[in-house]
Amino acid sequence: DAKTTQPPSMDCAEGRAANLPCNHSTISGNEYVYWYRQIHSQGPQYIIHGLKNNETNEMASLIITEDRKSSTLILPHATLRDTAVYYCIVGNYGGSQGNLIFGKGTKLSVKP
Amino acid sequence: DAGVTQSPTHLIKTRGQQVTLRCSPKSGHDTVSWYQQALGQGPQFIFQYYEEEERQRGNFPDRFSGHQFPNYSSELNVNALLLGDSALYLCASSDLGQKNEKLFFGSGTQLSVL
Repeated sequence: DAKTTQPPSMDCAEGRAANLPCNHSTISGNEYVYWYRQIHSQGPQYIIHGLKNNETNEMASLIITEDRKSSTLILPHATLRDTAVYYCIVGNYGGSQGNLIFGKGTKLSVKP
Repeated sequence: DAGVTQSPTHLIKTRGQQVTLRCSPKSGHDTVSWYQQALGQGPQFIFQYYEEEERQRGNFPDRFSGHQFPNYSSELNVNALLLGDSALYLCASSDLGQKNEKLFFGSGTQLSVL
């Protein structure tokens, strides 16, 4: 079973920030938080991952709470192309990420 | 640089038949993982291949088997197909030597079992 809890769906206005929450209250000290997204009819796409510090890349920012029991993925300026299912995944995969445990994710709808 | 490629994109089979799906990993990657995604669900891990051997396996029956070739490409075989095997089958590749390396997924093969 997935170790994370996400809202099933969210809406966001185009051009606004999209903030996607994820609860992972049973996360272990050496487990990372990963985010992937899946646009309709495509395979999942890696977005970002982090351990305890906040992370930012060209796609998004990841904010992890100090107790590491929850996190938020931020898309700073959502576009229609960001409409997708977003998966929050927790694990410690060492040198291999083969066995990712996906939940049902959050379906983000970006509206004009 | 081609990403992960899968073939065929769509397939229709009948119950009891056997099917083979194919995957070519991203250039430079040596590890291939297979996932099954039922409608409305997240992907579920089937197994992972590295150095032509099954390295990890999820909770799938022996009807699901695989193979990895010396060029790192991979096949997923499913025997004695059931209606419940209808799903999107995703292949993902990675570089085992890279710590916390991200997975790159193909667009999948949509299998329908009638």
